[in-house]
Amino acid sequence: NAGVTQTPKFQVLKTGQSMTLQCAQDMNHEYMSWYRQDPGMGLRLIHYSVGAGITDQGEVPNGYNVSRSTTEDFPLRLLSAAPSQTSVYFCASSYSGTVTYEQYFGPGTRLTVT
Amino acid sequence: DQQVKQNSPSLSVQEGRISILNCDYTNSMFDYFLWYKKYPAEGPTFLISISSIKDKNEDGRFTVFLNKSAKHLSLHIVPSQPGDSAVYFCAATDGDNLFFGTGTRLTVIP
Repeated sequence: NAGVTQTPKFQVLKTGQSMTLQCAQDMNHEYMSWYRQDPGMGLRLIHYSVGAGITDQGEVPNGYNVSRSTTEDFPLRLLSAAPSQTSVYFCASSYSGTVTYEQYFGPGTRLTVT
Repeated sequence: DQQVKQNSPSLSVQEGRISILNCDYTNSMFDYFLWYKKYPAEGPTFLISISSIKDKNEDGRFTVFLNKSAKHLSLHIVPSQPGDSAVYFCAATDGDNLFFGTGTRLTVIP
């Protein structure tokens, strides 16, 4: 089992560029989510999905899009990158359709927007 | 506004002694609480959790205590080991979203 994988590990974007952060899991988890970690802010939920075809917004969804066409994949799209989106992004998954169970996190993607 | 707060950014403890990490929350609708541990350049890993119907949960060297009236939980690590050195995040959920604290960096000194 690879667990939760994220690509790329590092990315530098210019303001206004778009990109997709990839996330995949091989544990057949229904629940997947995206977080961002900023200094002094902890981890904040961006978007989540309770199953293929179902997505919903978290605490800080603006500027990001998600889709869930398969159980395994949950990509995060930045539509027009801004310096405020400079952060470390973590994808996570869990067995349950709710957040109450332990989540498995990927290794993160460090994004810098200049 | 931060709904889960960890007011101590860092903590240093001698190996073999007890580490106590604290967490406060403001939302009375939170019904499940978790602790995650994070090493540099890795994602957080689940450590231990507690339901709001309990006041204590133990797993080996790790014990979490919940005081609902004070909206406070704590993680005790006994005995502390150098491998416990990491950032510890407290998290709480209302069933829909998971809210994290800002983390406490624990350093266990050999």
